[in-house]
Amino acid sequence: SAVISQKPSRDICQRGTSLTIQCQVDSQVTMMFWYRQQPGQSLTLIATANQGSEATYESGFVIDKFPISRPNLTFSTLTVSNMSPEDSSIYLCSVYPSVRETQYFGPGTRLLVL
Amino acid sequence: QKEVEQDPGPLSVPEGAIVSLNCTYSNSAFQYFMWYRQYSRKGPELLMYTYSSGNKEDGRFTAQVDKSSKYISLFIRDSQPSDSATYLCAMSSNTGNQFYFGTGTSLTVIP
Repeated sequence: SAVISQKPSRDICQRGTSLTIQCQVDSQVTMMFWYRQQPGQSLTLIATANQGSEATYESGFVIDKFPISRPNLTFSTLTVSNMSPEDSSIYLCSVYPSVRETQYFGPGTRLLVL
Repeated sequence: QKEVEQDPGPLSVPEGAIVSLNCTYSNSAFQYFMWYRQYSRKGPELLMYTYSSGNKEDGRFTAQVDKSSKYISLFIRDSQPSDSATYLCAMSSNTGNQFYFGTGTSLTVIP
């Protein structure tokens, strides 16, 4: 398994501002993902964070709104830009360790946009 | 039709009861099946995972996969108040890295 930490654990932000969420893993992993979890809904994949190259975004998510960095195999950031109340959600990073079929999640960042 | 369907509950049971949680899916290509437990204000925690059909047991938890019916289950025996959480099913196919998640079932075990 992998131990994953996220910062901040929660934040309250004003409309129009941006927030950067950090994800740190205790071991090198090839694949790292960012998800959004809204109340009553399943986890929605935002993007795959690729080390050394641009992230791969899912339908409905764009780089201008959710820029992602992945400078090395243990760290990634997700920025939620120009926030609106609709961005209020839990944001989760996850990783694939060497066993492809399992995925591990960080504790999440609870974001409230006023 | 959603790829994965899961009854959101909420489900409330007395301590000691047997709990059955279920998901159905539509994609016959799914080969990997997982159950995650998510406590309030925490990230999902991997509880069980199975490959293809069959049963897997781990302590009080048993995961079952019936590929012919496209149906997976998680059974919790002798449920405890500490089992109170949201349970998410997830699945993926052999190709690609995309996981499909259920919406989660909220479980409360009453002492």
